[in-house]
This record gives sequence, C-alpha cells and structure tokens, in this order.
Amino acid sequence: NAGVTQTPKFQVLKTGQSMTLQCAQDMNHEYMSWYRQDPGMGLRLIHYSVGAGITDQGEVPNGYNVSRSTTEDFPLRLLSAAPSQTSVYFCASSYSSSRVNTEAFFGQGTRLTVV
Amino acid sequence: GESVGLHLPTLSVQEGDNSIINCAYSNSASDYFIWYKQESGKGPQFIIDIRSNMDKRQGQRVTVLLNKTVKHLSLQIAATQPGDSAVYFCAEADTDKLIFGTGTRLQVFP
Repeated sequence: NAGVTQTPKFQVLKTGQSMTLQCAQDMNHEYMSWYRQDPGMGLRLIHYSVGAGITDQGEVPNGYNVSRSTTEDFPLRLLSAAPSQTSVYFCASSYSSSRVNTEAFFGQGTRLTVV
Repeated sequence: GESVGLHLPTLSVQEGDNSIINCAYSNSASDYFIWYKQESGKGPQFIIDIRSNMDKRQGQRVTVLLNKTVKHLSLQIAATQPGDSAVYFCAEADTDKLIFGTGTRLQVFP
C-alpha cells in the first residue's frame, strides 16, 4: 500500500514554463487536495476535490489548475511558472466523500524552484 | 474569514518534560480539528484529532484539548522525547476545507 505518491520530488523551472505535479493515491479516497508550504508558514490550500469530476478552489488558487478524471489521480498544473510559486507542494487525500472530517494522508512533497 | 494561528513559533523543552502547544482558531463553524507533526523534509503526519462535540481526547503520550468557548486548541505531549522534535500544526475543518495554522517548532534538548 503506497499511500499518497507525489512526483517529481524536486523540480526547477524557468519563469513562464508550464508543468504538472503528479499525485496518486491507492486508498480509494474520495477527497484529495493540494497545499503549498512556504518557509515560516503553514500549509495553504490551493485546490481540492471531493470526488472524481469535482474540483474547487482553496485559499490560493491563482496560477494553478487541477482536474480529477479518476479517483486515484489529482494532478496540479502550473500554467506559466513564476518565482512566487517557488515552494514545497503537498498532496493529501482522505476517505470522506464530501466532508474533510477524517484523517488526511500526505505525500512526501515536491520541492519546486522557479528561476 | 477563517484563520488558524499559533501563539508560540518555537517551543524548547527538556527531555522528559511535558510539552504544551497551543492554537487559536477563528471559525466557529469548524467541527473537526487535527494535529499534525512534520519532520524535516517530510510531509505532515497525523497525530490526533478531535471533533467539536468533545473537549478532550487522549492518545499515546498525547492529549488534545478543545475549548470552544474561547476557540482554543492545545496539544499536550507527555514525557517529551528527542524524537518529538518537529514542527507541529493544528488544522481546522469546516465542511470541505482543511485549513492549517502557521506551525510551532518543538525543540527537545537533553
């Protein structure tokens, strides 16, 4: 049971480039979410999904897109990378279908640097 | 708006002592709270949770207290060990969003 798997672990982008951060879970969890973590700050919610085909915005959605075509996968797309998007990105999933009131499992993170 | 904050950014305790990490939240509608531990270079790891219909919950060496009147949450760690050194986050859930606080770094010295 792999849990939540994020790829890549590290990535360097040039300003203006686009890329997709991958997140997959094998626990059949309905709820998935993306956070970013900046130095000295907590995790801020970017986007979340309560089930396949459903996504919604979190606290800091600008500059990011998501889709949820399957229960297992929840990729995060950076449309045109900016230095302000340099951060560590965490994907999380939890069992609950419509409410985030159960334990969330986190991936190991993707450290992204935009130069 | 929703916000979760912590009173102390860094807490230093001696090995064997008890640790108390505090958290304030502002959303009265939040009905589920979680404490996470994050070690360097790793993702947050679940420690303990509590629902709004409870005011105390105990785990192994950890206790979470919830005071809804003053919107305060605390994490107590008994007999703190070097392996407890990490950043601790509280998080609150309201329907479909899990919002994290800034975090408190716990340092354990011998």
